[in-house]
Amino acid sequence: KQEVTQIPAALSVPEGENLVLNCSFTDSAIYNLQWFRQDPGKGLTSLLLIQSSQREQTSGRLNASLDKSSGRSTLYIAASQPGDSATYLCAAGDDKIIFGKGTRLHILP
Amino acid sequence: NAGVTQTPKFRVLKTGQSMTLLCAQDMNHEYMYWYRQDPGMGLRLIHYSVGEGTTAKGEVPDGYNVSRLKKQNFLLGLESAAPSQTSVYFCASSYSIPADRLYQPQHFGDGTRLSIL
Repeated sequence: KQEVTQIPAALSVPEGENLVLNCSFTDSAIYNLQWFRQDPGKGLTSLLLIQSSQREQTSGRLNASLDKSSGRSTLYIAASQPGDSATYLCAAGDDKIIFGKGTRLHILP
Repeated sequence: NAGVTQTPKFRVLKTGQSMTLLCAQDMNHEYMYWYRQDPGMGLRLIHYSVGEGTTAKGEVPDGYNVSRLKKQNFLLGLESAAPSQTSVYFCASSYSIPADRLYQPQHFGDGTRLSIL
């Protein structure tokens, strides 16, 4: 059974810093790995989707990597801003999508 | 373009009452999903549908029923609500799994906050 773990559960960093969020999954036979953002009281917004044949995806200040052999993905956020404060979830997709519990990120102005 | 719309946004029920949550999408997606999100548990899949007239069980299906009579709508029903079903419910939709296995992301609604007293 696929399990997805995100560490840390919460993170506070000063504005302007670069940061890395971690995601690990137990079954490497995944079709894709997605990173979502969730703002309080809102649904999830897809940030990046890495296909199983890819190793990374980039969108603006965000870069996500995928290492299937080690069962890990990282989300790199460059030059963090207060608007980046949110909960970030990763999800491993095979026949179904299994979500991690998320990392609550707080960017300090 | 509304995307995924969930109704209602909030609801309070008494134990034993029944209700239906409605999810509507206007993106012509084949796949639709119902999740629940609880503190410390993350998102868990309740039921999903891979096309009109089809439904399948997810990770936590007990106490819920679903129907997909129209492609754009996916209904989640609680026949006899229990306090353990207090949660935030999210609907999502996506394109079907393509032959080339190049996936598209899921699109989520803003959720329904349900309290069972």
